[in-house]
Amino acid sequence: AAGVIQSPRHLIKEKRETATLKCYPIPRHDTVYWYQQGPGQDPQFLISFYEKMQSDKGSIPDRFSAQQFSDYHSELNMSSLELGDSALYFCASSLEGPERESSYNEQFFGPGTRLTVL
Amino acid sequence: DQQVKQNSPSLSVQEGRISILNCDYTNSMFDYFLWYKKYPAEGPTFLISISSIKDKNEDGRFTVFLNKSAKHLSLHIVPSQPGDSAVYFCAASPYILTGGGNKLTFGTGTQLKVEL
Repeated sequence: AAGVIQSPRHLIKEKRETATLKCYPIPRHDTVYWYQQGPGQDPQFLISFYEKMQSDKGSIPDRFSAQQFSDYHSELNMSSLELGDSALYFCASSLEGPERESSYNEQFFGPGTRLTVL
Repeated sequence: DQQVKQNSPSLSVQEGRISILNCDYTNSMFDYFLWYKKYPAEGPTFLISISSIKDKNEDGRFTVFLNKSAKHLSLHIVPSQPGDSAVYFCAASPYILTGGGNKLTFGTGTQLKVEL
């Protein structure tokens, strides 16, 4: 079965540079969630999109922005990168619209993008 | 403020025995609870979930128990296999009808090691 695809898998940037992370959800899934996992920490919710509209926002810095496109893929744009942005960034997708098969649909995660800021 | 807690950072179990992983939460708004398994350099893999209206859900070797009054859930793996060795995250979510509103709050994870 098709899974969530994230690219790139690894990214190395210098401080103050920008980075763009991409997420391709499971086909038919209409919802995307972004999470950040720092070293030795649990994943923290950043932002979510449903049907191309932002749904919810967590602890996402103002330097970060994201969007979901017409084909449901999502991009997380990160500017003025700081050392503390070094982390694993996960994207998860789910089906939460009228076509969902159950009252609550689980989120399925991609393999993550490891961002290192030097 | 850690709303979902896994107090055991690690657990070691012999192959064939039962593994019990515990999770506590503080937020009464959580309505849905999930367990994810994570290997290094991979994303979390969904294992099993339970709604707050149930107290038990079973799927093969995996059973999740929920004690809503105690705000406690546990994952039982029987029998444990060496391939089960991974980090297990407990996660909780509100149940929001609006798409995109079901953000997960994760625990800090428990490293399970199943020994031969």
